[in-house]
Amino acid sequence: DAKTTQPPSMDCAEGRAANLPCNHSTISGNEYVYWYRQIHSQGPQYIIHGLKNNETNEMASLIITEDRKSSTLILPHATLRDTAVYYCIVRAYNQGGKLIFGQGTELSVKP
Amino acid sequence: NAGVTQTPKFRVLKTGQSMTLLCAQDMNHEYMYWYRQDPGMGLRLIHYSVGEGTTAKGEVPDGYNVSRLKKQNFLLGLESAAPSQTSVYFCASSYVGNQPQHFGDGTRLSIL
Repeated sequence: DAKTTQPPSMDCAEGRAANLPCNHSTISGNEYVYWYRQIHSQGPQYIIHGLKNNETNEMASLIITEDRKSSTLILPHATLRDTAVYYCIVRAYNQGGKLIFGQGTELSVKP
Repeated sequence: NAGVTQTPKFRVLKTGQSMTLLCAQDMNHEYMYWYRQDPGMGLRLIHYSVGEGTTAKGEVPDGYNVSRLKKQNFLLGLESAAPSQTSVYFCASSYVGNQPQHFGDGTRLSIL
């Protein structure tokens, strides 16, 4: 699995967009970018994933650069409930489901 | 719809005791996983299963055994608990390997 690098922490004002970066410069052609988050001590929650095209769902948008060496998770209107640790994970699509979690980014949404 | 249910939620053991953690999912998922999370760290994969009757080792399998006798259940066993196994244990499942994983709420295990 390609290694990912994320900032350890970020702040965001409530109602503003939260942009969480992830660097994955060694990503291979068959590896997807997945994002999960963990609120307090709960189990991780899946957010979104993508290969090379930008993706959007009801929770967030995922922007992947053309060279696929980095990506950004966008929460368009952050709320206090979005305060969590966000994990960027790179994994091959056919790799048996194993997720390798790094340290993640601790996002604090402030009023 | 319960999703992924872990039993028990909390447990305190003495060194050398054994116990089994139960994970049950009602989503008809093929793949199931056991992770552990230590303070300030991300999750680490212990064991996983790609279907009923199958198991495989993850990153940190030593000291643990697993069984998948029924598709909906994945058991994690500690034969002789050690203080180093004090952790929060999360179970997850997915339809197939490339689909998003759904996690349980965790089991908080302390070993004295």
